[in-house]
Amino acid sequence: GEDVEQSLFLSVREGDSSVINCTYTDSSSTYLYWYKQEPGAGLQLLTYIFSNMDMKQDQRLTVLLNKKDKHLSLRIADTQTGDSAIYFCAENTDTGRRALTFGSGTRLQVQP
Amino acid sequence: EPEVTQTPSHQVTQMGQEVILRCVPISNHLYFYWYRQILGQKVEFLVSFYNNEISEKSEIFDDQFSVERPDGSNFTLKIRSTKLEDSAMYFCATRKGNEQFFGPGTRLTVL
Repeated sequence: GEDVEQSLFLSVREGDSSVINCTYTDSSSTYLYWYKQEPGAGLQLLTYIFSNMDMKQDQRLTVLLNKKDKHLSLRIADTQTGDSAIYFCAENTDTGRRALTFGSGTRLQVQP
Repeated sequence: EPEVTQTPSHQVTQMGQEVILRCVPISNHLYFYWYRQILGQKVEFLVSFYNNEISEKSEIFDDQFSVERPDGSNFTLKIRSTKLEDSAMYFCATRKGNEQFFGPGTRLTVL
């Protein structure tokens, strides 16, 4: 079945760039997403990329997709303490239920 | 900005009791979902709902679970006889186009 994997923890200093990585197994994945979860809050959609793209930029966020290696990354430029959260990678296909398959989440800690 | 809302934020129940978790979707969204996240584990898909019927469900969504949209606004998840292992965060989500928007979740604790 589908599987999405992420490293569990990343620590960076304020002002540095953060890169959060994700790998997935489903070659029919059509859309790949990044969600942010702050303590006690729900899942906030940050951005997503269609599988025929290899890059998408949205302000401080850059998503890179290597479809051959099934590798997705989220780069946060000029990381701020407010970026501290858990970041989830998720994927779905363009058919059927369109339900998301999530990774286990990467906890980003930003040190001042 | 429209949001998905969920009530209650926290529900504590005794094993064997029925619980109903409620969600108010974003008004012009047509696709609804329930997910759950057991503490320390991944967010898992439970069920999707479209046009007043279930469109797909996961292996987790057994006969103890049901969903409905009784009044055209609320979207509910019912667990008929809760088990200890049902303790989790339950997230409602709605979709328009390619974007799924999640509610803040209901934390269900089964004692």
